[in-house]
Amino acid sequence: DADVTQTPRNRITKTGKRIMLECSQTKGHDRMYWYRQDPGLGLRLIYYSFDVKDINKGEISDGYSVSRQAQAKFSLSLESAIPNQTALYFCATSAQGTDTQYFGPGTRLTVL
Amino acid sequence: AQSVTQLDSQVPVFEEAPVELRCNYSSSVSVYLFWYVQYPNQGLQLLLKYLSGSTLVKGINGFEAEFNKSQTSFHLRKPSVHISDTAEYFCAVSGTGNTPLVFGKGTRLSVIA
Repeated sequence: DADVTQTPRNRITKTGKRIMLECSQTKGHDRMYWYRQDPGLGLRLIYYSFDVKDINKGEISDGYSVSRQAQAKFSLSLESAIPNQTALYFCATSAQGTDTQYFGPGTRLTVL
Repeated sequence: AQSVTQLDSQVPVFEEAPVELRCNYSSSVSVYLFWYVQYPNQGLQLLLKYLSGSTLVKGINGFEAEFNKSQTSFHLRKPSVHISDTAEYFCAVSGTGNTPLVFGKGTRLSVIA
């Protein structure tokens, strides 16, 4: 079984809809991250959480919100999706003190 | 704050030839440096990392990178590439404290038979 899982893997939605992307991990890591990947732009950090009670904005948090429901779960929400949020979204985890991040398989989101 | 510049967006190379993917970083503090690889339709996986110690770092699949503090570079090299090395490669940097990774824009390596 994969250590970092993301659901759904693919999603097509319409402008204005609320969307939630979910991430779960079995690695026991306390730190979790959400990134989006766009062609030619690399990965950009949306939000990150160093423990259940800690939530921090990343480089491009506008239009997104997150929830850390438990140490193993970190969800990303788009309150009202817009077409320029069409991208590949990755969740990642790391353990305190190691700095190595482990990535999920990604969610491909298309907003029409 | 840290930043990363990957100097080449695409690198075509023939099979069994050597390759170097270039990465420069900017930071006012000590850094950790990473190279990740993304194979088609997959997530990212760690190739290698520099935290401290020897400036020459060896990673998986025959890749290595050298940390050069004076030139603020962390170039990735492989002496002989294979078709299976075709992928996108990302350089990333973090401060040595509790700071998240900052990624470069990626270099797409295409190995030609």
